[in-house]
Amino acid sequence: SQTIHQWPATLVQPVGSPLSLECTVEGTSNPNLYWYRQAAGRGLQLLFYSVGIGQISSEVPQNLSASRPQDRQFILSSKKLLLSDSGFYLCAWSGTYTGELFFGEGSRLTVL
Amino acid sequence: SQQGEEDPQALSIQEGENATMNCSYKTSINNLQWYRQNSGRGLVHLILIRSNEREKHSGRLRVTLDTSKKSSSLLITASRAADTASYFCATDLYSGNTPLVFGKGTRLSVIA
Repeated sequence: SQTIHQWPATLVQPVGSPLSLECTVEGTSNPNLYWYRQAAGRGLQLLFYSVGIGQISSEVPQNLSASRPQDRQFILSSKKLLLSDSGFYLCAWSGTYTGELFFGEGSRLTVL
Repeated sequence: SQQGEEDPQALSIQEGENATMNCSYKTSINNLQWYRQNSGRGLVHLILIRSNEREKHSGRLRVTLDTSKKSSSLLITASRAADTASYFCATDLYSGNTPLVFGKGTRLSVIA
């Protein structure tokens, strides 16, 4: 069966520090991969998605970046965090654009 | 980009009552999906309804889709305290080559 792992679960970082959130999927190949952000009490904002290794599409220009170094690994990064980067980050995968999304358990980032 | 908008933003009911949440969207779609999110967790897929379907059932869930009004509803019958969560609708674009877009969700509280 397919599983998705996302870490770390919780992160407290100072403004200006770097960020790396990792997500891996098991049990499937060539998945579509996604990073969403959810501000407190808000909906999901799509940040990045990828349909293959090295292929990244950005939805929102900001100081975040994403990479897909391996087929089932998706990394969200920042060189210098801003206060506004605080939020709940969710990784997800799907087999197709229109199919069901499977989400990780999320990473809660607090930037102080 | 198009977005599903859920209504109401928050709903509080007694255990045993039915809960109805609505979702409106802007453009033609292939599918509409409903997801559930427990506090601080990832989203879990509940049900997918295709654009050529009008109603779909899964256990205590009933989803309807009216493509002429670009709206969908999620009905949870005989609600339980464990149904307390946020519920999101997600839509794709008719072209089927872009990721799902989520609404802001309805926060459901079921009081025992």
